[in-house]
Amino acid sequence: GESVGLHLPTLSVQEGDNSIINCAYSNSASDYFIWYKQESGKGPQFIIDIRSNMDKRQGQRVTVLLNKTVKHLSLQIAATQPGDSAVYFCAENNAGGTSYGKLTFGQGTILTVHP
Amino acid sequence: DTEVTQTPKHLVMGMTNKKSLKCEQHMGHRAMYWYKQKAKKPPELMFVYSYEKLSINESVPSRFSPECPNSSLLNLHLHALQPEDSALYLCASSQDGGVGGNQPQHFGDGTRLSIL
Repeated sequence: GESVGLHLPTLSVQEGDNSIINCAYSNSASDYFIWYKQESGKGPQFIIDIRSNMDKRQGQRVTVLLNKTVKHLSLQIAATQPGDSAVYFCAENNAGGTSYGKLTFGQGTILTVHP
Repeated sequence: DTEVTQTPKHLVMGMTNKKSLKCEQHMGHRAMYWYKQKAKKPPELMFVYSYEKLSINESVPSRFSPECPNSSLLNLHLHALQPEDSALYLCASSQDGGVGGNQPQHFGDGTRLSIL
């Protein structure tokens, strides 16, 4: 999972396995959370989001779980494919009541999917 | 393909040069953002524009000067940069409205900047 440190956490899985990427966020006032996927040479790509009044949200092959008690976020990817290989970032939003976002990103996790 | 377009994709400049990075979106978003990303690090917020007005400046040095000419365009003017400013500069946009800014930000693919 993600944590502050000098090296990005890594996760290696076999094609077809399920992947779980974890993230600890820091601000208990954050009310909106996003997972991004970043492939080499590209910008972060939106995967799924969740608001603080929810604890689970599902998308296509992805599920995000939010545990506000321990300030923990996870991304589950079902039937992982080689194309899922990338760096995954969680991001927390604390816009302080404004109408725009102010994202703070986690350190990222490198996911490698082996055929 | 991303709906946020950034140009140029790559830029090499000397420390005395003046250059500009450009960002364009046609999604009708009214909030636009500049981020800086160093290798193997997460993006770090630099500036936020809301309805073409600067709303957040994260204590960015004055050698970086943002500009929002209209709701679709965002520029970042560069002058007298330092080698440590070499990074990937990302632009993002989001719908702006309601309380809490709880709308996803959509990113461009960035400009990779190298300062000689």
